Amino acid sequence: AQTVTQSQPEMSVQEAETVTLSCTYDTSESNYYLFWYKQPPSRQMILVIRQEAYKQQNATENRFSVNFQKAAKSFSLKISDSQLGDTAMYFCAFKKAAGNKLTFGGGTRVLVKP
Amino acid sequence: NAGVTQTPKFQVLKTGQSMTLQCAQDMNHNSMYWYRQDPGMGLRLIYYSASEGTTDKGEVPNGYNVSRLNKREFSLRLESAAPSQTSVYFCASSPLAGVLSGELFFGEGSRLTVL
Repeated sequence: AQTVTQSQPEMSVQEAETVTLSCTYDTSESNYYLFWYKQPPSRQMILVIRQEAYKQQNATENRFSVNFQKAAKSFSLKISDSQLGDTAMYFCAFKKAAGNKLTFGGGTRVLVKP
Repeated sequence: NAGVTQTPKFQVLKTGQSMTLQCAQDMNHNSMYWYRQDPGMGLRLIYYSASEGTTDKGEVPNGYNVSRLNKREFSLRLESAAPSQTSVYFCASSPLAGVLSGELFFGEGSRLTVL
């Protein structure tokens, strides 16, 4: 079974600064997908960014980028130029290429301070 | 555009009572999921339905049953509620196989308290 670990329960960052969230995972699969989801205080979860394991290039979406290290089984999320609206829980998730199920990490709470 | 709709949003039960959480999506998605969210544990999959007519157990299925009524609707039933089932429950749906099936569309959640 796959496991996803987020070792930072909470992080705070000043507005306009950069914060990096860590995620490690354990799998014997060679092809899979990784995701970061955001859950704002309103609770509805949304997808932030996705990475396909067979792609070496790190994914980016505007101010969000990932550092994918396949050999180390590490998938960190960098939020640049943090904004107050980035305050949320962030979840890392794993999915086997051939599967339908996502496995989530325990989450990291990010607080952006003005 | 409604997306994924869950009802009820809040519910308080006594131990041993039963209830059903309803979920409907209007995006014509094939797959639907039920997760529970507990502090520090992230989201754990209870049951999922890869397509209409199929259901499968997730990580924590004990104490729950599901029904994929049609392509739109996927309900979660607690037959005899226990305090350990106090949680926030999320329904989600996804469209296709492959990487896009990792994009889950979530409902707003249902907060369940079992006394």
